[in-house]
Amino acid sequence: EPEVTQTPSHQVTQMGQEVILRCVPISNHLYFYWYRQILGQKVEFLVSFYNNEISEKSEIFDDQFSVERPDGSNFTLKIRSTKLEDSAMYFCATRQGPNQPQHFGDGTRLSIL
Amino acid sequence: EDQVTQSPEALRLQEGESSSLNCSYTVSGLRGLFWYRQDPGKGPEFLFTLYSAGEEKEKERLKATLTKKESFLHITAPKPEDSATYLCAGNSGYALNFGKGTSLLVTP
Repeated sequence: EPEVTQTPSHQVTQMGQEVILRCVPISNHLYFYWYRQILGQKVEFLVSFYNNEISEKSEIFDDQFSVERPDGSNFTLKIRSTKLEDSAMYFCATRQGPNQPQHFGDGTRLSIL
Repeated sequence: EDQVTQSPEALRLQEGESSSLNCSYTVSGLRGLFWYRQDPGKGPEFLFTLYSAGEEKEKERLKATLTKKESFLHITAPKPEDSATYLCAGNSGYALNFGKGTSLLVTP
């Protein structure tokens, strides 16, 4: 069964450094999402992306965050200057169409030191 | 403000002991109520989507139901491999709004 692939599985970064998280969506999916889950808390929406632009974003997704689909296959989340509170599990999700469920990858654990 | 509340936070069952998990929601313009299963260190795995009150969906030992204010995930004769965190989420647009989940442990 096709799946969403995320790399790396674990990223350790010094505070203030830039980090890029990568996601390979399921091949015929058109809608892309990033969520995060801080340890012990609920899964929180960050941003949705469709037709090469952001369609919705949460209050968490401030100017330090950006997304892009640079080569038509990978979907990336960049955090420009990481903070300690950015430490979390980051999940990519994709879906085929508006009435289809979102399918999640297994996440990237981001640890900020 | 949209809210999804799940109860109980944790549930321990003996193998074969049926039970139900609750998800209450206040989501304006609900476009679907979703159930996911999450194993430790993994991403949420899709189980069901429900769109309208009265709708029911089944998969093996799981059955999801929906009313105008709540959804239930019924687990019939659970097995240890059903142990996981079960997440409920409402969708009012692009984003999924998740509850905190119910952590289910099924013991032999």
